[in-house]
Amino acid sequence: KQEVTQIPAALSVPEGENLVLNCSFTDSAIYNLQWFRQDPGKGLTSLLLIQSSQREQTSGRLNASLDKSSGRSTLYIAASQPGDSATYLCASNTGGFKTIFGAGTRLFVKA
Amino acid sequence: DTEVTQTPKHLVMGMTNKKSLKCEQHMGHRAMYWYKQKAKKPPELMFVYSYEKLSINESVPSRFSPECPNSSLLNLHLHALQPEDSALYLCASSQAGTGKEKLFFGSGTQLSVL
Repeated sequence: KQEVTQIPAALSVPEGENLVLNCSFTDSAIYNLQWFRQDPGKGLTSLLLIQSSQREQTSGRLNASLDKSSGRSTLYIAASQPGDSATYLCASNTGGFKTIFGAGTRLFVKA
Repeated sequence: DTEVTQTPKHLVMGMTNKKSLKCEQHMGHRAMYWYKQKAKKPPELMFVYSYEKLSINESVPSRFSPECPNSSLLNLHLHALQPEDSALYLCASSQAGTGKEKLFFGSGTQLSVL
């Protein structure tokens, strides 16, 4: 059974800092890995989707990488801003409709 | 239109009430999902409809009853809920109905059961 772990659980950084969020998964036979952002009490906003055949995806200040062999994905946020404060979740799909989510990293960017 | 719309945004109900949550998407997606999320926990899958047919029911209690009237709409009927059912209920959709595509989520319904 796929398990997804995110470390750290919480992170506080000063504005402007570059940062990396980590996601690990136990079953390397994934179809894709998706990163989401969630603001308190709100839904999930999709940030990046990496297919199993891809190594990375980029969107603006965000870059996500995928290493299936080691069961790891990272989300890199460049030049962090207070508006980036949110919970970031990663989720892996190993087939069918079952997407397994990590518990998330709560990010706070201080102005 | 790349939105999944959920109504209501907030709902308070007693344990004897009957209520419904609604979800709508106009992206032509053929798979629609209900997730339940407790505070500071990851979303947990409840139901999946693919091409308007129930594909997955994750052993959800019968007090939750899903319905997919057409390819754009998904409802979750609630009856005789318990206080522990209080949570954020999220609707999602994906394109081709295989389950391997990008998930698009609505903003959720925050449910409180008194």
